Amino acid sequence: GENVEQHPSTLSVQEGDSAVIKCTYSDSASNYFPWYKQELGKRPQLIIDIRSNVGEKKDQRIAVTLNKTAKHFSLHITETQPEDSAVYFCAASIMGGYNKLIFGAGTRLAVHP
Amino acid sequence: EAGVTQFPSHSVIEKGQTVTLRCDPISGHDNLYWYRRVMGKEIKFLLHFVKESKQDESGMPNNRFLAERTGGTYSTLKVQPAELEDSGVYFCASSHEVDREQFFGPGTRLTVL
Repeated sequence: GENVEQHPSTLSVQEGDSAVIKCTYSDSASNYFPWYKQELGKRPQLIIDIRSNVGEKKDQRIAVTLNKTAKHFSLHITETQPEDSAVYFCAASIMGGYNKLIFGAGTRLAVHP
Repeated sequence: EAGVTQFPSHSVIEKGQTVTLRCDPISGHDNLYWYRRVMGKEIKFLLHFVKESKQDESGMPNNRFLAERTGGTYSTLKVQPAELEDSGVYFCASSHEVDREQFFGPGTRLTVL
């Protein structure tokens, strides 16, 4: 069935360093890839997304890259800050279909001051 | 604009009991999704409503789970009888259109003892 693999499961960085989280999807029909951030005790919130017609998208300190051939996509956070500490989930879905999100298992990012 | 709300925030029940979870989507959102995260694993899709109709229920684990959305507004997810493996966090999400961002609720943490 469809699945998304996400690595690493935990990531610890020093404030100011970069963080990279990688995901691989199985369904080649997937064409929409959102990233959600869940802070402790809060709801998952969309932080950035990318569609399959582009290879990269950037929003301030956050960027996402997509390699359709290899079926993987990555989240890059630069100049990390303590408030970036959270669990990050990648997901894949098929726009134009039912749009159910297939999630990775999550990455717990800790940014140490 | 009020976000997606879920009730209760926590529920602790014994095996064999019945529990009903409620989700109120963002007003005007026709699409409503249920997801579940079990024991720190991936967030898994359960089902998708468009208004009051079940569009996709491929993720429902078994017939102990019943979801309804009478009138196309709020939705309920009933688990009867509950089993130990049903423990987890149940998320609800809504979107205005099927190809738009899904907004998540805070989740209901269900513990089955």
